Amino acid sequence: KNQVEQSPQSLIILEGKNCTLQCNYTVSPFSNLRWYKQDTGRGPVSLTIMTFSENTKSNGRYTATLDADTKQSSLHITASQLSDSASYICVVSGMIKAAGNKLTFGGGTRVLVKP
Amino acid sequence: NAGVTQTPKFRVLKTGQSMTLLCAQDMNHEYMYWYRQDPGMGLRLIHYSVGEGTTAKGEVPDGYNVSRLKKQNFLLGLESAAPSQTSVYFCASSMEEAGANVLTFGAGSRLTVL
Repeated sequence: KNQVEQSPQSLIILEGKNCTLQCNYTVSPFSNLRWYKQDTGRGPVSLTIMTFSENTKSNGRYTATLDADTKQSSLHITASQLSDSASYICVVSGMIKAAGNKLTFGGGTRVLVKP
Repeated sequence: NAGVTQTPKFRVLKTGQSMTLLCAQDMNHEYMYWYRQDPGMGLRLIHYSVGEGTTAKGEVPDGYNVSRLKKQNFLLGLESAAPSQTSVYFCASSMEEAGANVLTFGAGSRLTVL
């Protein structure tokens, strides 16, 4: 069964500090991996999308890495801001549909940035 | 540009009642999806549509029905609500199939079934 596991489940960081979120997946064969940001009470918004051949992608202060060999990804937040407080969701797309669905969603990491 | 709009944002139902959630998108996307999000779990696909007039089952379709009579609208219905259907429901859309395309999500509809 395809699975996406994220860690930690939650973390608290001080404004201005850096943090790294982890995503491990078992989806195979693999197509791409996405990171979404979900603010409280809102829908997820795409941050990055990486294919098999890409191992780093940045979007402002967000940098995602991908190691397709070990099936691991990380999202690094640099110089955190209060607006970074949100849940971050890792989503892996496989090449084969299961119940009409190629996407497997992680449970998310909830980040709280304190002043 | 509104993107994906869901109504209502909140709803409380009693067990056995019925209701419909409406999703509207103004991006001319072909694909539309309904997901549910439960605490600590990843989003799970309920039903999806690959174009006007088409619908298909996702991972967790039981207890739900959908219709896509117009390209811009995707309706999710609960015929007889159960407490297990208490959740936050998200509609999403994409130009092409979700595996290759980024999804645009609505803001969510929080449903409580008593």
